[in-house]
Amino acid sequence: RKEVEQDPGPFNVPEGATVAFNCTYSNSASQSFFWYRQDCRKEPKLLMSVYSSGNEDGRFTAQLNRASQYISLLIRDSKLSDSATYLCVVNMGGGGYQEVTFGIGTKLQVIP
Amino acid sequence: DVKVTQSSRYLVKRTGEKVFLECVQDMDHENMFWYRQDPGLGLRLIYFSYDVKMKEKGDIPEGYSVSREKKERFSLILESASTNQTSMYLCASSDIPPSYEQYFGPGTRLTVT
Repeated sequence: RKEVEQDPGPFNVPEGATVAFNCTYSNSASQSFFWYRQDCRKEPKLLMSVYSSGNEDGRFTAQLNRASQYISLLIRDSKLSDSATYLCVVNMGGGGYQEVTFGIGTKLQVIP
Repeated sequence: DVKVTQSSRYLVKRTGEKVFLECVQDMDHENMFWYRQDPGLGLRLIYFSYDVKMKEKGDIPEGYSVSREKKERFSLILESASTNQTSMYLCASSDIPPSYEQYFGPGTRLTVT
């Protein structure tokens, strides 16, 4: 079983729609969680960190469910510019970088 | 604004050649990383370095070595390139924890023929 799992998609949604992605992780001791965005042929960039209480940044909301071991990303009022691959990143353990694991990413395509 | 640069965007090498990929960051970050990214496999950590001359193996270090002689520069070396090392190589840097945000370079698309 992979340590961090994501549905690779693609998710094809119309402009204005709400879309949600989940990411499951296997290590219950995982401590830090993030969503990165990667545009086509570009490098990944941090979108947002995921806190235990959840966090919101404009149209984007990230949630953590420790009991079920998943994090989610909700995008409201989708824009064409949201089309990208969204990478889930989990820090599995005690602070070492070798414990940081990237998911394979979920591809989102927003359609006019 | 953090900037991470990589020496080449595209590189074509022959099997058996020695290949150097260089990465430079301008934010005085302690940590630097080399990943490869392949379809369906995501980003996989090859090596990382948490200080000058210090290095740690990641998940897939076989066939690679690294060098960090200066804080801002982290080099990835393929001693004898093979076709299964054809991939996108991404360098990243980050500050010390608790900030785990990694800043990535634009990547090098390496093709080994």
